[in-house]
Amino acid sequence: DTEVTQTPKHLVMGMTNKKSLKCEQHMGHRAMYWYKQKAKKPPELMFVYSYEKLSINESVPSRFSPECPNSSLLNLHLHALQPEDSALYLCASSQDTGGRKFYGYTFGSGTRLTVV
Amino acid sequence: GDSVTQMEGPVTLSEEAFLTINCTYTATGYPSLFWYVQYPGEGLQLLLKATKADDKGSNKGFEATYRKETTSFHLEKGSVQVSDSAVYFCALSVATDSWGKLQFGAGTQVVVTP
Repeated sequence: DTEVTQTPKHLVMGMTNKKSLKCEQHMGHRAMYWYKQKAKKPPELMFVYSYEKLSINESVPSRFSPECPNSSLLNLHLHALQPEDSALYLCASSQDTGGRKFYGYTFGSGTRLTVV
Repeated sequence: GDSVTQMEGPVTLSEEAFLTINCTYTATGYPSLFWYVQYPGEGLQLLLKATKADDKGSNKGFEATYRKETTSFHLEKGSVQVSDSAVYFCALSVATDSWGKLQFGAGTQVVVTP
C-alpha cells in the first residue's frame, strides 16, 4: 500500500459545527503532516507529527486541533471555523529522515472544506 | 532563509509542444529538490526528485537536472499532452532529525490545448 487516504473528500460545515478530518497510511512512515492549500497557492504547513508526537505547530489557531492516535492515523478536529478557513486540507506522510536526506512526501488527495 | 522561485503562469501550449518551467532556489547546505504536480481537484503527486548536484530526475517524460552552479532545477518535457494540464510546484527540502519540510515555489499552471 503506497497511498495516503483522506476522508471525507468534501465537507461543508457551519461556523458552529464540530467536524473531523481523517488521514490514514500503511507505509510505515513515522512522520505525518497537515497542510492547508488555498486556491492557486502552494500548500502551507500546519502541523507535523513525528513518532506520534506533535513536533511542529505553525501558529495555527486553536480552532484546529490535531490528533495522532497511532502511527497510521492522523486526525484534524475542527470547531468554530470561519469562512476564511475554507480550503483544501492535505495530509502527507514521509519516512524517518534519520537526520539525513529527505526524500519527499506522499500526499493524500485532500479534503475540500467549505465553511458557511 | 531557504526559498524557491519559479516562473509565473499560466503557461499555455499546444499539444506536442516543448515545455520548460524554470525553477531557481536559495538554500544553505545541500537540499534535495522536487517537482510535484497537482491535477485539477486532486492532491499533490511527486513527479520527480534529485538529491544531489548533477542528479537528473525523470518520470513520465519529464526531466529536471539539479544544477548547483546555477542553483536551478528546471522542468522539461519534449512533447506535452492535454493530460499534462496541471499546476506544477518546485520544492526544496529541509531535513530535521526525523522529519522533513518542503519549501514550495508559488506554482506554475500549465494549460495544454489540442
